[in-house]
Amino acid sequence: GENVEQHPSTLSVQEGDSAVIKCTYSDSASNYFPWYKQELGKRPQLIIDIRSNVGEKKDQRIAVTLNKTAKHFSLHITETQPEDSAVYFCAANPTGRRALTFGSGTRLQVQP
Amino acid sequence: EPEVTQTPSHQVTQMGQEVILRCVPISNHLYFYWYRQILGQKVEFLVSFYNNEISEKSEIFDDQFSVERPDGSNFTLKIRSTKLEDSAMYFCASRTGTSGGQETQYFGPGTRLLVL
Repeated sequence: GENVEQHPSTLSVQEGDSAVIKCTYSDSASNYFPWYKQELGKRPQLIIDIRSNVGEKKDQRIAVTLNKTAKHFSLHITETQPEDSAVYFCAANPTGRRALTFGSGTRLQVQP
Repeated sequence: EPEVTQTPSHQVTQMGQEVILRCVPISNHLYFYWYRQILGQKVEFLVSFYNNEISEKSEIFDDQFSVERPDGSNFTLKIRSTKLEDSAMYFCASRTGTSGGQETQYFGPGTRLLVL
């Protein structure tokens, strides 16, 4: 089955800096890659997603890139703010399986 | 904006007892899911449900687990005889089913289950 690896497990940045979180996946048939933000004790909330027919997608300060050949995708947050502090999970959806396989999460801490 | 809802928010039970976790998916969604998250770990898939039957399940979803859609709105997860290791946050999720799996799954707020 699908296996999603996520790095780093923790990331601390200064407010205003950029943060990058990377994920790799194993199933070449995966074609949908969402990123979820989870604040302490709350539900995971989708912040951005990308489908396999595009290489990059941007939404204000958040961008995701996808390299299908290398089977990795990354989340980029620019101009980080303290409210960006949370755990971020990447996920992949293998075609035909339709349940999400999640990465292990990255705890992002933005220092004011 | 419509949201997935779950009840109860917290459940404490004794080992060996049965628990039922309830979810109300978003009304026009066709696919429903249960995931669990052990404290400090990643979200793990349990089961998906479509057209009144299980469409796939993980190795975690053994004979102790069952799901049901008893009416047009509720979606339930039953654990027949709880074990200590069932202690986790259980999330329900739903999606429309219109894009072949490439659409957003919306998560509920979760039920924190503690088995003593």
